[in-house]
Amino acid sequence: SQTIHQWPATLVQPVGSPLSLECTVEGTSNPNLYWYRQAAGRGLQLLFYSVGIGQISSEVPQNLSASRPQDRQFILSSKKLLLSDSGFYLCAWSAGTGNTDTQYFGPGTRLTVL
Amino acid sequence: AQSVTQLDSQVPVFEEAPVELRCNYSSSVSVYLFWYVQYPNQGLQLLLKYLSGSTLVKGINGFEAEFNKSQTSFHLRKPSVHISDTAEYFCAVSVHHSGAGSYQLTFGKGTKLSVIP
Repeated sequence: SQTIHQWPATLVQPVGSPLSLECTVEGTSNPNLYWYRQAAGRGLQLLFYSVGIGQISSEVPQNLSASRPQDRQFILSSKKLLLSDSGFYLCAWSAGTGNTDTQYFGPGTRLTVL
Repeated sequence: AQSVTQLDSQVPVFEEAPVELRCNYSSSVSVYLFWYVQYPNQGLQLLLKYLSGSTLVKGINGFEAEFNKSQTSFHLRKPSVHISDTAEYFCAVSVHHSGAGSYQLTFGKGTKLSVIP
């Protein structure tokens, strides 16, 4: 069966510090990968998605970037965090990019920027 | 553009009472709809999805949803809720992104269900 991992589970960082969040998927190959941010009262915002190694699409221009160095690894980064980057970050995977494909979510990372 | 509206941000309900969480979508083409549940400080878990066929879809944990094309709705229901159903529920629609040639999910803002003992 497939599993998806995220770490760290929680993170407290000062403004201006760098960020690296990691997501890995097991039990499948060539998944589509997604990063979402969930801020209080704002639902889920799609940040990035990737259909393959080195292929990243950005949905929202911002302070963050994403990379996919390996087939089942997806990394969310920032060079300098802002207060507005605080939130709950969720990684997800799907088997394809068709209209009926289900996305499966990881446990999330709670980021607090002080 | 396709979008999803969840009409209620919070729904309190007594244990063993029925509940309906409302979701409306806007689309001019075929739609594929999903309901996810999020327990506190956890990721999202798929409850059910409508792709085609029967408009009444049954999911996990005793939940069901009915696709109504004329009312552009996909409301989630449960006849008798438990304390363990306390969570946030998200409705989502599959949207085609022409730039990438793929489909993505657009989520509603969520409905927090609180079950009162």
